[in-house]
Amino acid sequence: AQSVTQPDIHITVSEGASLELRCNYSYGATPYLFWYVQSPGQGLQLLLKYFSGDTLVQGIKGFEAEFKRSQSSFNLRKPSVHWSDAAEYFCAVGGTNNDMRFGAGTRLTVKP
Amino acid sequence: DVKVTQSSRYLVKRTGEKVFLECVQDMDHENMFWYRQDPGLGLRLIYFSYDVKMKEKGDIPEGYSVSREKKERFSLILESASTNQTSMYLCASRRQVSSYEQYFGPGTRLTVT
Repeated sequence: AQSVTQPDIHITVSEGASLELRCNYSYGATPYLFWYVQSPGQGLQLLLKYFSGDTLVQGIKGFEAEFKRSQSSFNLRKPSVHWSDAAEYFCAVGGTNNDMRFGAGTRLTVKP
Repeated sequence: DVKVTQSSRYLVKRTGEKVFLECVQDMDHENMFWYRQDPGLGLRLIYFSYDVKMKEKGDIPEGYSVSREKKERFSLILESASTNQTSMYLCASRRQVSSYEQYFGPGTRLTVT
């Protein structure tokens, strides 16, 4: 069965610093991978997705993620964090069926 | 833009009440989903629907039922609300043959007292 692990429950970074959020997945076939962001009191917004091709994918708000099959990872990065990036981030894995699995989330705090 | 709306942002109900959570999407999506979100557990799938009048159990269907009489509307029903159903409920929709991404509503925070 597919599963997603986000090892970091909470991360704090200073504004302007770089960011990397970790995501490891388990999936029996070719995975479809997603990163979503949830601002306080809001639903989830898609940041980026990977299906095939270039393993470095660009998303909205300056985020990118790299798919590493050998490590079963899909880490999210941003070179310079803004205060508005404070939110909760969810990694998800899915396939050609209707099943999608979400990680437990990583809460990002941004220090001024 | 896809829009998924949920009938209430906040809801307070008493134990034993029957609760209806409504979700509407405006993009003619075939698939719709109900999740609950709890701290440290992420999103867990309650039910999903392939199309009108079709439904499948997710990972945690106990205590819940669903209804999909029209394509745009997917309702989650708590037959007899209990305190352990206090949670954030998120609805999502997706086109059947697509890039598999789901579009989410803003959520309903339900408190059962």
